[in-house]
Formats: sequence, structure tokens, C-alpha cells
Amino acid sequence: GNSVTQMEGPVTLSEEAFLTINCTYTATGYPSLFWYVQYPGEGLQLLLKATKADDKGSNKGFEATYRKETTSFHLEKGSVQVSDSAVYFCALSPTGSSNTGKLIFGQGTTLRVKP
Amino acid sequence: GAGVSQSPSNKVTEKGKDVELRCDPISGHTALYWYRQSLGQGLEFLIYFQGNSAPDKSGLPSDRFSAERTGGSVSTLTIQRTQQEDSAVYLCASSFEARGELFFGEGSRLTVL
Repeated sequence: GNSVTQMEGPVTLSEEAFLTINCTYTATGYPSLFWYVQYPGEGLQLLLKATKADDKGSNKGFEATYRKETTSFHLEKGSVQVSDSAVYFCALSPTGSSNTGKLIFGQGTTLRVKP
Repeated sequence: GAGVSQSPSNKVTEKGKDVELRCDPISGHTALYWYRQSLGQGLEFLIYFQGNSAPDKSGLPSDRFSAERTGGSVSTLTIQRTQQEDSAVYLCASSFEARGELFFGEGSRLTVL
């Protein structure tokens, strides 16, 4: 079946450190891949997405590349800020799904950035 | 409002009671989704509404769970005879169209004692 696995948190970094949050998936065909972010006290919001192999999604300094060969979609940022502290969710939309809403999520990774 | 609105934000109930959770999607959004987020778990899909089509109920965990969407707008998720394992945050999301970006509400936290 389809599934998403994220690295366990919490991840604690100092400001300006490099961030990687690992995400791997299991799916048939070519799913679409997403990163959602949940800031404290807010609803989840889409951070970035990629819809085919080798696509790179980017937003707010974050990047993730769709790697079919390693079934991965790792999230990276070169220099984190305190304001990036949040919970990050990796998700996929299965191939052939008639919509992107029926997403399969990972368990979430909490990021804490210290000043 | 500008975003997806959910109520109540917090609900504490006794085991065996029924609860209703409400979602008011963004105006004009045709698609509406319910997800459940349990402690330490990812988001679990529950049900999906798209326009006038029959809802996709494939994620509902048991027949104690039901949902309806009236007039293509507001949705209510009902849990009958609640159990302790139903304790979770219930998230609602909407999108402009079936393939559109999902916009989530802040969730309704349900605690079953």
C-alpha cells in the first residue's frame, strides 16, 4: 500500500544551521509529493510540492527534490530561523487519484530553532 | 471569514456520548475533507466531499462515524457512542477544486474521558 515515513523528531537546531528532514515513501506509479507545515496555533498549510520525478519544489527558502530512484522527498533549508519552528508533514497523493486532497501523511517532524 | 473555520476548538466528553464537530469551509470551495490527527501519528484521511458527488467515505474507521455536508458548504462530523480511542484532533480542509491546494482549519481537539 501507500505510505510515508519521516524522520522522528523533535529536531533542535541553532539559528542559521542547515536543515534536513528526511521523507521516504512507498507507492505504485508516480505519486505527487508535498510538504505541509503547521505553525503553533495555526492550521496546516502547503509549503511546497512536486508532481513528477526530478521536480524540485521550493518556497520560503525550503527545497525538496522528488527522487524516484530513492523514493525520497527530503526537505532542506540552508539557514533556519526561529520563525521556522513548526511541525512539518510529508505527504503523497497516489497515482491516478482523481484529486490531490486524499493525501497520505507522514507522522510529522517537530522542528525547534533556538536563537 | 477568510479561512476554514472549525468548532468547537476543544471538546471534552464522556465515553458513550455522541459528539458533533462543525466545519465551515472557505466560500466557493467545492471540495471538503476531514482528517484525524492522533497523538504521535500522522494525519489519517476520514472522508471527502466534492460538489454533488457521493462522498468518499473510505477512511471512516467505524460505523459510529458519519459526516454530512449541507448545501455544498458547512459540514458536520458526528461520532456516536464515543470511545477513548476517538480522542484526537479532527481537521477539516477545503479546496477550490478537486485538484487544488488544501486549506486546513485549526482543528477540533476531542478528548473522551
